[in-house]
Amino acid sequence: GAGVSQSPSNKVTEKGKDVELRCDPISGHTALYWYRQRLGQGLEFLIYFQGNSAPDKSGLPSDRFSAERTGESVSTLTIQRTQQEDSAVYLCASSLASGRSYNEQFFGPGTRLTVL
Amino acid sequence: QQQVKQSPQSLIVQKGGISIINCAYENTAFDYFPWYQQFPGKGPALLIAIRPDVSEKKEGRFTISFNKSAKQFSLHIMDSQPGDSATYFCAASNADSGTYKYIFGTGTRLKVLA
Repeated sequence: GAGVSQSPSNKVTEKGKDVELRCDPISGHTALYWYRQRLGQGLEFLIYFQGNSAPDKSGLPSDRFSAERTGESVSTLTIQRTQQEDSAVYLCASSLASGRSYNEQFFGPGTRLTVL
Repeated sequence: QQQVKQSPQSLIVQKGGISIINCAYENTAFDYFPWYQQFPGKGPALLIAIRPDVSEKKEGRFTISFNKSAKQFSLHIMDSQPGDSATYFCAASNADSGTYKYIFGTGTRLKVLA
């Protein structure tokens, strides 16, 4: 079966432009996560979606970052007015329903964003 | 207090040797400790995980050792192989802040020489 897919795989943009990153989770996975991975650093939690519940946006670094998810399918992460410090790999993961159980998070290959 | 400190940053091991990666944490509320393996150009994949009610968990050549009193846990890769060359991340989570909120270490780049 298909895993988590992300597009584009690479994105180069100019400072100040908006970018949109897409994530297609594994079918049937109600939980979806976005992480940021800066060069040489660990994964940084950004946002979490679980079914129709309100998303946990506590990891978003600024109001330039936003994310949406349509039902239990595709999610898009939008970064407005990109800055050079936004350059990173953005990873999406999905899992079966979270809550108080530890369901494995399956990661996509990521989108490498470079802001010039 | 939410940090997970991982060491070493990089590691070179001969084929057949033992690779050891260490992580330390401060938050005693953490109750789930997964290790992820990431190959270049790929997303991380769960390798093995442990809960603090056991001191060791073994899956094939991979073993997690957990020391609750020292607030440390480590990954041991026995009989390391060139195919194990990857970046390894430890992580920690606690149910009170949401089981989905993993705090990741900064990663260890492992290279196993043939």
